[in-house]
Amino acid sequence: AQRVTQPEKLLSVFKGAPVELKCNYSYSGSPELFWYVQYSRQRLQLLLRHISRESIKGFTADLNKGETSFHLKKPFAQEEDSAMYYCALFSGGYNKLIFGAGTRLAVHP
Amino acid sequence: EPEVTQTPSHQVTQMGQEVILRCVPISNHLYFYWYRQILGQKVEFLVSFYNNEISEKSEIFDDQFSVERPDGSNFTLKIRSTKLEDSAMYFCASSELGLENADTQYFGPGTRLTVL
Repeated sequence: AQRVTQPEKLLSVFKGAPVELKCNYSYSGSPELFWYVQYSRQRLQLLLRHISRESIKGFTADLNKGETSFHLKKPFAQEEDSAMYYCALFSGGYNKLIFGAGTRLAVHP
Repeated sequence: EPEVTQTPSHQVTQMGQEVILRCVPISNHLYFYWYRQILGQKVEFLVSFYNNEISEKSEIFDDQFSVERPDGSNFTLKIRSTKLEDSAMYFCASSELGLENADTQYFGPGTRLTVL
């Protein structure tokens, strides 16, 4: 079955602390994975995708096929990072994104 | 930067009524999608559309739902006879590529549908 799991509903950290948002997937083929972010009252927007291997707003994510994970990391959290973060898997055969349940990141001053 | 737009932002309707949710995808995109998010739940895929036909639909997308691209710019989702459980945020998305080519899907701001 194709599935994305984000085990934490809420991650609460202080400004300047490291952040790791967990994402695990289940997919039989070669996965294409994305992180989307939704700031308060805004639309879902792409944060990064694994094939681009770039860092956006200080966030990085590495695909680990052995552990079937695509965790999102940032070394020093900022208050403006507070948002809802969704991990998503592209199901090519079905032309759709499969989303995880999302993790709310709250960064406190 | 071009964006996906959706209207209305909020729609309130009575159970059993028909609703049409409207989307204008990014102009050079060829693949269009609808997703929904019931309050407190995950974003769920409903349907994808390419070359004027449905390319994939989920089990949620039953006979009560239909999609259409009535002209060169709009992409609509129709719910024929709304149920209470159709209350959700509905997101439209579009991408330049699709099918076997994973491409970034750009999302609209959503339409909140409330069925009373």
